[in-house]
Amino acid sequence: AQSVSQHNHHVILSEAASLELGCNYSYGGTVNLFWYVQYPGQHLQLLLKYFSGDPLVKGIKGFEAEFIKSKFSFNLRKPSVQWSDTAEYFCAVNARGTGTASKLTFGTGTRLQVTL
Amino acid sequence: DTGVSQNPRHKITKRGQNVTFRCDPISEHNRLYWYRQTLGQGPEFLTYFQNEAQLEKSRLLSDRFSAERPKGSFSTLEIQRTEQGDSAMYLCASSPRSSVWTDTQYFGPGTRLTVL
Repeated sequence: AQSVSQHNHHVILSEAASLELGCNYSYGGTVNLFWYVQYPGQHLQLLLKYFSGDPLVKGIKGFEAEFIKSKFSFNLRKPSVQWSDTAEYFCAVNARGTGTASKLTFGTGTRLQVTL
Repeated sequence: DTGVSQNPRHKITKRGQNVTFRCDPISEHNRLYWYRQTLGQGPEFLTYFQNEAQLEKSRLLSDRFSAERPKGSFSTLEIQRTEQGDSAMYLCASSPRSSVWTDTQYFGPGTRLTVL
């Protein structure tokens, strides 16, 4: 079974600082990778996704992520964070070829706090 | 708003009572998922429907849990004889008709269950 690790549980940054949130997964086969964001009081929203092709994926609100297959990683980046990026960020993976369900396996999340 | 909707948003119940939650997916989405999220954790997969067929259930889904999607549209999740350990946020997600290998799930706001 696949698993996802997010090593940063709580990150505090000043506005305009650069962001990198780590995500590692364990699964030997082909995976799809996702980052979801949950703003305070709101539901989970898709930030970006990787299925295949260019390992550098661009998402909404200036976020991007890079899939490094050899490191089983899919780190999320943003060059300059804004106060409005304060949220919880979840990395998720589903494993291709494991049956009919494309169930997502999530990490435990990283709480990002951006200060003014 | 044409997103995934869930009702009720909050439910407080006494231990031993039965509760039922409803999820209305995005129109024409044929796949529907239920997840559970506890404090400090990412969502965990519970079960999955393709149209009206329940195709997969997690081991987390004990005998007290049952889910239905009778006409392939809305779904219900029932918990019988609730226990305090059932307290969690119950999330519903749906995804459109597409290859299961490039499935993208869209989440609802969740139902927060508190068992006293």
